[in-house]
Amino acid sequence: RKEVEQDPGPFNVPEGATVAFNCTYSNSASQSFFWYRQDCRKEPKLLMSVYSSGNEDGRFTAQLNRASQYISLLIRDSKLSDSATYLCVVNIPPGGYNKLIFGAGTRLAVHP
Amino acid sequence: DGGITQSPKYLFRKEGQNVTLSCEQNLNHDAMYWYRQDPGQGLRLIYYSQIVNDFQKGDIAEGYSVSREKKESFPLTVTSAQKNPTAFYLCASSQGDSNEKLFFGSGTQLSVL
Repeated sequence: RKEVEQDPGPFNVPEGATVAFNCTYSNSASQSFFWYRQDCRKEPKLLMSVYSSGNEDGRFTAQLNRASQYISLLIRDSKLSDSATYLCVVNIPPGGYNKLIFGAGTRLAVHP
Repeated sequence: DGGITQSPKYLFRKEGQNVTLSCEQNLNHDAMYWYRQDPGQGLRLIYYSQIVNDFQKGDIAEGYSVSREKKESFPLTVTSAQKNPTAFYLCASSQGDSNEKLFFGSGTQLSVL
């Protein structure tokens, strides 16, 4: 089993739709979780950290389910500009500089 | 503006040649990293450095070398021993022990002629 797994997609949705991505992780001791956004052939950029209680930033909501070992990202009212690949990132304990594991990414395509 | 600068944006390597990718940051970050990204795969860690004059191998260090002579600079050399070097290379930095948020450069696409 991969340490971090994501559905590669693509998810093709119309503007205004709500879309959700899941990411599963294998190490139950993981403590830090992030979603990054990456545009084609560009650098990843931090979208949100994921906290135990769940967190929201505008149209984006991130949630953590420790029991089932997955994190989710919900995007409401999708915009054309949301089209990108979304990377799930999880730390592998004991943590530190070298222990971030990146998922392969989920591609989102928003169409008019 | 503070940030990370990678150069060149595109690089071509001939067989048997060593090439060096540049990474410079002015964020005053202690830690710097090199990742490799292949299509359909997650980023994989090549090397990382927590402090000047010190660096550690990541998961796929074979065929690569680095140096960290200055805090701002962390160049990556792709040696002829790396048999499959075609990939998108990303340099990143982070601030401190407890801060795992990464700031990335814009990447270098390396291809083999």
